[in-house]
Amino acid sequence: DIHLTQSPFSLSASVGDRISITCRATDNIINYLNWYQQKPGKAPKLLIFAASTLQSGVPLRFSGSGSGTDFTLTISSLQPEDFATYYCQQSYSTSITFGGGTKVEI
Amino acid sequence: QVQLQESGPGLVNPSGTLSLTCAVSGESMSSDSWWSWVRQPPGKGLEWIGEIYHSGTTNYNPSLESRVSVSVDVAENQFSLKLSSVTAADTAVYYCARVRVEPAPSFDSWGQGTLVIVSS
Repeated sequence: DIHLTQSPFSLSASVGDRISITCRATDNIINYLNWYQQKPGKAPKLLIFAASTLQSGVPLRFSGSGSGTDFTLTISSLQPEDFATYYCQQSYSTSITFGGGTKVEI
Repeated sequence: QVQLQESGPGLVNPSGTLSLTCAVSGESMSSDSWWSWVRQPPGKGLEWIGEIYHSGTTNYNPSLESRVSVSVDVAENQFSLKLSSVTAADTAVYYCARVRVEPAPSFDSWGQGTLVIVSS
């Protein structure tokens, strides 16, 4: 299996902050990396696919970068509705895996 | 707009079989998509269980493969999950989701999730 390690595990931030979350894969996954946002009691929501492409309807303050084994999700100016848990996920392998999650808190 | 809805028992006995169904609306399951199950134990992260294509081709999480079966009923536009020999460790919210193939494989639509508790 391809293992994904997210860091940090959690972070505290304020409205307006720029934050970044990293996801490291144990093997080269090219750009088969997606990012999701999950709020308590809700299903995950797709934010970014193919490492850097914004899903339709997702605000432009979200961006993704990286290739190979190292990837980053950046929120340029944190908004109140962005406080949530974020997961990366690889679709390079037929055995899909998720990162452990990063909780963004106030 | 595709919609997915999970259904099934919310309580399963230890050593029993967990059975869930996902009803899909707004899109034919004969489309070029995979249909997947993902679970989330209380307070923990996401774990992919397995997926199926309308042809019946499946892929499973190696850690669960010996206990999992995913099937599809294209005529009814639904797919199902069976997980055998369950223990308390299988207690989780179970989500069904669509895996969009193009432009890149990703879970772009999800059900609301259903909590399944394994307990006697």
